[in-house]
Amino acid sequence: EVQLVESGGGLVQPGGSLRLTCAASGFTFNSYWMNWVRQAPGKGLEWVANIKQDGSQKNYVDSVRGRFTISRDNAKNSLYLQMNSLRVEDTAVYYCADVLLGWGQGTLVTVSS
Amino acid sequence: DIVMTQSPDSLAVSLGERATINCKSSQSVSDSSNNKNCIAWHQQKPGQPPKVLINWASTRVSGVPDRFSGSGSGTNFTLTISSLQAEDVAVYYCQQYYSAWTFGQGTKVEIK
Repeated sequence: EVQLVESGGGLVQPGGSLRLTCAASGFTFNSYWMNWVRQAPGKGLEWVANIKQDGSQKNYVDSVRGRFTISRDNAKNSLYLQMNSLRVEDTAVYYCADVLLGWGQGTLVTVSS
Repeated sequence: DIVMTQSPDSLAVSLGERATINCKSSQSVSDSSNNKNCIAWHQQKPGQPPKVLINWASTRVSGVPDRFSGSGSGTNFTLTISSLQAEDVAVYYCQQYYSAWTFGQGTKVEIK
């Protein structure tokens, strides 16, 4: 059974940092591009970033480029999102996802003073 | 960036009736390597994460009821619920994965 389990969310002040982790199981992790998607409270879905199977290609939405870094550790079946210089507007539930694998349960990031 | 536009923003359908959601991409999302359209449809119920219903525009994910179907080509795609059930009340999103990802704004489906 495919499982994607996010962790690392929490409350952080504007300008702060957080590192999210997505633990993957039930499939061959190093065979898939992986994605982070977020959903602000009461809003729609917004793709954030993705990373190629071997980590050699990374893409970001304009609003996070230069502040967020996506990475993966295929030996640990884990996906990461390092979030720096966080803003109030980054407040959202963050999901790891793939159209063939499905979605995790999400982790809430709240940026507030 | 590829823009995805859904219509309508919301619709109310009687139980057992058909629900149709449209999605238009700003450019072709056809993958030339397999001649398939890089379109997925997701269902999100209140308080839950999204769930993939359909990928490659028309391939139903395992376990998804066959009343859900996807169709379309080029830049125009459709999700059809052939006979609406109470458990289908949700927000539905189309999404392209041809170039990075982008989502439509969502369509809220309710019971009339």
